[in-house]
Amino acid sequence: SQQGEEDPQALSIQEGENATMNCSYKTSINNLQWYRQNSGRGLVHLILIRSNEREKHSGRLRVTLDTSKKSSSLLITASRAADTASYFCATDMNRDDKIIFGKGTRLHILP
Amino acid sequence: GAVVSQHPSRVICKSGTSVKIECRSLDFQATTMFWYRQFPKQSLMLMATSNEGSKATYEQGVEKDKFLINHASLTLSTLTVTSAHPEDSSFYICSAPWTGKGEQYFGPGTRLTVT
Repeated sequence: SQQGEEDPQALSIQEGENATMNCSYKTSINNLQWYRQNSGRGLVHLILIRSNEREKHSGRLRVTLDTSKKSSSLLITASRAADTASYFCATDMNRDDKIIFGKGTRLHILP
Repeated sequence: GAVVSQHPSRVICKSGTSVKIECRSLDFQATTMFWYRQFPKQSLMLMATSNEGSKATYEQGVEKDKFLINHASLTLSTLTVTSAHPEDSSFYICSAPWTGKGEQYFGPGTRLTVT
């Protein structure tokens, strides 16, 4: 089963624009993570935000977490062609270290 | 560098044969490892939890007799796809939590193609 739902499922934007992806989840969590996956490749861990945090930054990435709405957003600023990939949110439901992935957003940066 | 490795990175096998995939934690011991499966253009689906020294626990809908998991040591878990069929062709990814660091690490994945 999947815990998270990403929105949108696919997103195409011009290079240089900002990209925002949203994730909603169903049950209470310990933390939420965002991963990137290039086509046919492994996962790259982007950022982890804990349930008691509301916002986190890492370079061009900004993640927010609203536990009252059970949602998170990933903002990529000043997008680049290399940002073209699938992005997944994943939640740790505070039991057994299991990480459950959302359906993902396929981001395409247009030159 | 990588802290979780998988072997092989890709494998092609004939229908009806069995394939073993290894997942190793390189710098830490993992009493628990997880196996995921990912079909093209889809997300990662958790298949099972591999427990060192005890039986694996499987997610709903995953056939335990088809996907045999053995967690033989604190650094190695193996997934054997038995009597593989073309519909088992997928990208298999393992992960291991590094409890002391509170982080989880993913292997690079194994692409299985069953012909």
